[in-house]
Formats: sequence, C-alpha cells, structure tokens
Amino acid sequence: EPEVTQTPSHQVTQMGQEVILRCVPISNHLYFYWYRQILGQKVEFLVSFYNNEISEKSEIFDDQFSVERPDGSNFTLKIRSTKLEDSAMYFCASSAGGLFYGYTFGSGTRLTVV
Amino acid sequence: AQSVTQPDIHITVSEGASLELRCNYSYGATPYLFWYVQSPGQGLQLLLKYFSGDTLVQGIKGFEAEFKRSQSSFNLRKPSVHWSDAAEYFCAVVGRGSGNTGILIFGQGTTLQVKP
Repeated sequence: EPEVTQTPSHQVTQMGQEVILRCVPISNHLYFYWYRQILGQKVEFLVSFYNNEISEKSEIFDDQFSVERPDGSNFTLKIRSTKLEDSAMYFCASSAGGLFYGYTFGSGTRLTVV
Repeated sequence: AQSVTQPDIHITVSEGASLELRCNYSYGATPYLFWYVQSPGQGLQLLLKYFSGDTLVQGIKGFEAEFKRSQSSFNLRKPSVHWSDAAEYFCAVVGRGSGNTGILIFGQGTTLQVKP
C-alpha cells in the first residue's frame, strides 16, 4: 500500500536554528498538508497546499513557517528560527483529491527544540 | 467554532471485551466525521468516516461508529478487542468552510490499553 514518508523521524535542534522537515507524499496525490501535535495537546492543522500554492493556513502558520514542493516529489516544511514552543510531532498528509478522497498520513517527525 | 471532544484520555479494557470510545462534536451543520488510529511509530490510519446516509458506519479492523445527531456524538465501538488494538484513537471533524481541502479538526485522543 502506498505510504507517505517523513524524514527524519526525530530531530533535535537548538533554539533559533532553521529546520526543514521532509515529506514524500504518495506520487499521484494532489493535496498536501502539515499538522502538528504538541505533547499532550490536540493534533492541529498548519497548512494545506494544492496546485503549487498554499490553499489554507492556520493562525499557527506565521511568517516563521514556509512550505515548498521543490521537485515534484518532496513536500517540505521549514521553520526559520525555531522556538521552544515549536517542539512537537509534525505530521505530513496527502490526498488524491481532497476531502472525499481521504487522507494518508505519514508517521511523523518529532521535533525537539532545546 | 467547530470542536471535537473525546472525554476519555485513557481507557483500559481486557482482551475480548467490548469497547466504546466516545466522541462529541460541535458543528452547525451536518458534519463530516472521522476516526483515526495511531499505533506507536506509525502514522494516523483512517478507521472509518461518515459523510451522509446510514448513521452506522463500518470500518476496518472490525470497528464501527454510530452518528447520533441528537447527541452530537460519533462513538467508536468494537465488539471484541484484540491486544493489537492498543493504540491512540482520534476523532476528527472537517472544519466548515474548508471546502474540498478538508481541514481536519481533531479531538484530544484516547489511549487504549488492552489487558491480557
């Protein structure tokens, strides 16, 4: 069964550093998403991406965050200057056609900011 | 605003016993509802979803859920739990206005422990 692959599974970074979280969505999917889950809290939507542009973003997704699909296969989330409160599990998801087609999630990247 | 509440943070059941995980939602119209499961080290896997029609929805791994509009609930059930069902379970609703993009709003999650 096709999978969404996320790398690395765990990343530790120093406060103020830039991090890039990588995702390889399912190859024929068109919609891409990032969600995050701070320990002990709910899974929260960050951003969706369709047709090479952001289609929706949450209040969390401020200027420190950016997304890219640089080469048609990877989908990356960049955090420009990490803060302690960015420590969370970040999930990538993709969908063939959005809502009614369902979503496939990756296994997540645990980001720890120290 | 739309929201999802899973009242039980942690549930322990014996293997072979029945299971019900509770989910309540707040939404102004007919919601699109989902249950996901996350096993350790794995991604979120869809168990089942409700869009319309029959309010009793069958999913994978022997799970089912019932949409009850009058109670704003979408509880997940399984008649006989297996040790491999131990995982974290998330209820989610699609946020209104998110169109075909379908932004998911998740509950807090319920951790299921299965006793031998």
